[in-house]
Amino acid sequence: DTAVSQTPKYLVTQMGNDKSIKCEQNLGHDTMYWYKQDSKKFLKIMFSYNNKELIINETVPNRFSPKSPDKAHLNLHINSLELGDSAVYFCASSQDAGGVSEAFFGQGTRLTVV
Amino acid sequence: AQSVTQPDIHITVSEGASLELRCNYSYGATPYLFWYVQSPGQGLQLLLKYFSGDTLVQGIKGFEAEFKRSQSSFNLRKPSVHWSDAAEYFCAVLMDTGRRALTFGSGTRLQVQP
Repeated sequence: DTAVSQTPKYLVTQMGNDKSIKCEQNLGHDTMYWYKQDSKKFLKIMFSYNNKELIINETVPNRFSPKSPDKAHLNLHINSLELGDSAVYFCASSQDAGGVSEAFFGQGTRLTVV
Repeated sequence: AQSVTQPDIHITVSEGASLELRCNYSYGATPYLFWYVQSPGQGLQLLLKYFSGDTLVQGIKGFEAEFKRSQSSFNLRKPSVHWSDAAEYFCAVLMDTGRRALTFGSGTRLQVQP
């Protein structure tokens, strides 16, 4: 039983396209996150939602739009993809808002923009 | 702003040898501290965490870490490394107030020689 699952695992697309990455957690957690890992393996927070409410929105281009239909799902939609968007995107969840609890991570989605 | 430094980008040890991965943080108060491991092509798995109390914490896979307030450090150790420990290791911190998302170090890649 996968705790945090992301789809797809790999995504190759052309510049200018629009794509979505889906994330679901079955842990009953209140908070979900999107992190971006660049080519140098550096991980940085992009967004955080608590009970469907946006609580963290880092300096991310507005081409990136998270959507949380319910507290078990947090999807990431990216418009007008650029080469620099190529990265691994990780979804995560934790028990409470930023929690004094650990974050559980999905397997990641490797996005390649060509 | 808080920051996390992992001074060693790459470490190679022989199988059976001891290991210490360094982590220093910059933050006005004691943060919550974590070590995560990322195997190739995988998501992040929590090894251990420190919130309060005993400054020596035990984790999974035989890892331990020691919080030293005077040195703002949270170094990860293992007495005898196994070939399966080869992976990328990330130290992370979480503030107890305000922005509640993990701030990661840049990671340390561990290679294990037979």
